[in-house]
Amino acid sequence: GAVVSQHPSRVICKSGTSVKIECRSLDFQATTMFWYRQFPKQSLMLMATSNEGSKATYEQGVEKDKFLINHASLTLSTLTVTSAHPEDSSFYICSARVSGRNTEAFFGQGTRLTVV
Amino acid sequence: GQQVMQIPQYQHVQEGEDFTTYCNSSTTLSNIQWYKQRPGGHPVFLIQLVKSGEVKKQKRLTFQFGEAKKNSSLHITATQTTDVGTYFCAGLTGGGADGLTFGKGTHLIIQP
Repeated sequence: GAVVSQHPSRVICKSGTSVKIECRSLDFQATTMFWYRQFPKQSLMLMATSNEGSKATYEQGVEKDKFLINHASLTLSTLTVTSAHPEDSSFYICSARVSGRNTEAFFGQGTRLTVV
Repeated sequence: GQQVMQIPQYQHVQEGEDFTTYCNSSTTLSNIQWYKQRPGGHPVFLIQLVKSGEVKKQKRLTFQFGEAKKNSSLHITATQTTDVGTYFCAGLTGGGADGLTFGKGTHLIIQP
């Protein structure tokens, strides 16, 4: 199946700093990518839909100025957690679909963010 | 907004016993997908159901989509230790939202 690569897999940062997470579709073009957040032993919460060449669509309650999403190309979307706080510590996962809306989602490996 | 409810949250079974997780949506779904997430891993796609009343099988796994396209179930026959993980259902509506709405997941714990 299609491959989505997410980097880094783990990151520890200090409070107040920013962290960038990359999500790449390796063998297909993804016009749309999705960013999820997952707390321990909980479900995946959709944060935003990243559209290539346009602004991301954020879910209700997600601060767009805090979670900056850029989808500059058909194979790369980035999520930047700005001015990170300990409560931002979580597992962030991106996903992409090959085409259309009725297709399976391929997930990146996830990024474990710890803010100290 | 759309909600997808999934039960049970945790399920302990003896190896060899059957297991079922249920998923219910507050709205009609255009399709429902099932994913498995191993501890420390990322979700991996299992299957997609699109048609009303659809039933699909993958070896010991049986997936069903309700007639009203609002509920679904995953049944595993004769569980094995390799089945350990969290099973998520995820629904896609026909509306403007394009992201999947995930259920809370069912954590399957198998005792040998």
